Amino acid sequence: QKEVEQNSGPLSVPEGAIASLNCTYSDRGSQSFFWYRQYSGKSPELIMFIYSNGDKEDGRFTAQLNKASQYVSLLIRDSQPSDSATYLCAVGGNTGGFKTIFGAGTRLFVKA
Amino acid sequence: DTEVTQTPKHLVMGMTNKKSLKCEQHMGHRAMYWYKQKAKKPPELMFVYSYEKLSINESVPSRFSPECPNSSLLNLHLHALQPEDSALYLCASSQRTETNSPLHFGNGTRLTVT
Repeated sequence: QKEVEQNSGPLSVPEGAIASLNCTYSDRGSQSFFWYRQYSGKSPELIMFIYSNGDKEDGRFTAQLNKASQYVSLLIRDSQPSDSATYLCAVGGNTGGFKTIFGAGTRLFVKA
Repeated sequence: DTEVTQTPKHLVMGMTNKKSLKCEQHMGHRAMYWYKQKAKKPPELMFVYSYEKLSINESVPSRFSPECPNSSLLNLHLHALQPEDSALYLCASSQRTETNSPLHFGNGTRLTVT
């Protein structure tokens, strides 16, 4: 059973701080890694994707991947109240077909 | 604004009704998906269409029937649903399935079965 694990939170950070969201996955054959943001009552929105070990930066967001440790993280710099949402880690791979497996999500609160 | 459009946004139906959910994308994507999401849970995959052919059915009950009329359209036909089928139904598309490219979600249909 392929699994994607995240702390459910809530994770609470003050405005302007760095929020660090973590995710581990069980399938070593996984090849693609995604972070989605989901506001309450809305659909998931793609924030970042990463395929190779290391860091990938896009504005205030940095995704980090360590395949040896089967670990992927998302850093949000200069957190804003508008970043308050649930962040879903999702993992895809060639094994098992065209499936993207989602973690349960981490709820983030950014306090003004 | 999302480039994947779902209609209707809300749907209330009785257990004996037949209804359909519709999804449309014009990004040239060749893979389309239906997901079901219950409150405070992650999206659960239901069906995958690749190049207009059904490639994955995650053991979904037959009261849910998907259809892909062309590469831009995806429907989900609903019949004899149960109250526990109430959920947010999400359509998504991706460039293709072979490389597991990112999913682009529609705004979803909030379904209530009474």
